[in-house]
Amino acid sequence: GNSVTQMEGPVTLSEEAFLTINCTYTATGYPSLFWYVQYPGEGLQLLLKATKADDKGSNKGFEATYRKETTSFHLEKGSVQVSDSAVYFCALSIIQGAQKLVFGQGTRLTINP
Amino acid sequence: KAGVTQTPRYLIKTRGQQVTLSCSPISGHRSVSWYQQTPGQGLQFLFEYFSETQRNKGNFPGRFSGRQFSNSRSEMNVSTLELGDSALYLCASSLANAGDTQYFGPGTRLTVL
Repeated sequence: GNSVTQMEGPVTLSEEAFLTINCTYTATGYPSLFWYVQYPGEGLQLLLKATKADDKGSNKGFEATYRKETTSFHLEKGSVQVSDSAVYFCALSIIQGAQKLVFGQGTRLTINP
Repeated sequence: KAGVTQTPRYLIKTRGQQVTLSCSPISGHRSVSWYQQTPGQGLQFLFEYFSETQRNKGNFPGRFSGRQFSNSRSEMNVSTLELGDSALYLCASSLANAGDTQYFGPGTRLTVL
């Protein structure tokens, strides 16, 4: 079946540190890959996406590259800020049939000043 | 363009009651998906509607149902509420095709007492 595995949290970093959140997936077919972010008390916001192998998604200093050979979509940011504190979800969507996102378990990130 | 709106934002019900949640998608979006978010199970897909038809369904009991109207607005209903139905219910809308980005609303927080 289709599944997403994320690096377990919580993750605590100091401001300006380098961030990596690992995400690997298992999928039949050719999925699109997404990172969503959830701030306290809010819904999910799309952070970035990639729709095919070797695509790089980027937004607000965050980047992730779709690696088909390692079935991975790791999230990175060079210098984190306190405002990046949130829960991050990796997800996939199979490009066939109906709309359905399969999510990882989420990684809680806390950035200390 | 207005985002996805969900009403109500908070609900408190007792066991055995039923509840209806509403979702208004982004203008022009024809697909509406519903997800349940709990601390234990994470984010789980409930169902998706497209052009007033249920196109995909997750592994939830028949107490969970939904519908979509001709203007793409959607409702979900949970009958005979159980304590375990306490969750954040998220609605997401997208254009039409699998792989299209899903945009999420703020969610409805349901508490079952």
